[in-house]
Amino acid sequence: EPEVTQTPSHQVTQMGQEVILRCVPISNHLYFYWYRQILGQKVEFLVSFYNNEISEKSEIFDDQFSVERPDGSNFTLKIRSTKLEDSAMYFCASRTDIKQETQYFGPGTRLLVL
Amino acid sequence: DAKTTQPTSMDCAEGRAANLPCNHSTISGNEYVYWYRQIHSQGPQYIIHGLKNNETNEMASLIITEDRKSSTLILPHATLRDTAVYYCIVRVAGAGGTSYGKLTFGQGTILTVHP
Repeated sequence: EPEVTQTPSHQVTQMGQEVILRCVPISNHLYFYWYRQILGQKVEFLVSFYNNEISEKSEIFDDQFSVERPDGSNFTLKIRSTKLEDSAMYFCASRTDIKQETQYFGPGTRLLVL
Repeated sequence: DAKTTQPTSMDCAEGRAANLPCNHSTISGNEYVYWYRQIHSQGPQYIIHGLKNNETNEMASLIITEDRKSSTLILPHATLRDTAVYYCIVRVAGAGGTSYGKLTFGQGTILTVHP
C-alpha cells in the first residue's frame, strides 16, 4: 500500500541553524500539507500546497518557514533560522484531489533545537 | 469548521467493542465527520468519515445521529494495538470557503485498551 515517507526521522540542530525536512507524498496525490505537534500538545496545521504554490498557511507559518516541491516527488519544509520553540514532530500529509478528502500522514520527523 | 467535543479518556477491555462519542452540535449540512487516530506520536491515521449515513469499513463503524449533532466511532473488537488518541474532526468537503483541506485537531480521546 502506498505511503507517505519522511526523512530524517530525527534531527538535532543548533538554534539559528537552517533545517530542511523532506517528504515524499503518495505518487498520484495533488495536495500536500505540513503539520507540527509540540510534545504533549495538539497537532497543528502549518501549510497546504497545491499546484506549486501555497494555498493556505497558519499564523505559525511565518517568514522563517518555506515549502517547496523541487521535483515531481519531494515536498520540503525549510526552517531558515531555528528557534528552541520549533522543537516538535513535523508531519507531512497528502491527498489526491478536491473530492477525496482523506489525508494520509507520514511517520513524522522529530526536530530538536538546542 | 464546526467545533467538536470528546471525552478526555476512555478505557476498554481487549476483545470488547470500544464506543467513542463525539458531539458536534453546530455542524452544518455540508460538513463531514472524520475520525483519525494517533498511536504514540506516530502520524495521524485516517479511520473513517461520513456525512449522514452510518458507515463501516475494515477498521471501524461510524454511527451518526439523525440530527447529526453527535456521532460514535465503534471499534468492534478492540485490541491492545488500538490504544491511541482518537480525533473527531468536522469539516466541509472540497475546497469550500477558505479551507483547502486543512484538518483542525482537538485534544481527542485517549483510548486505553486493557488486557
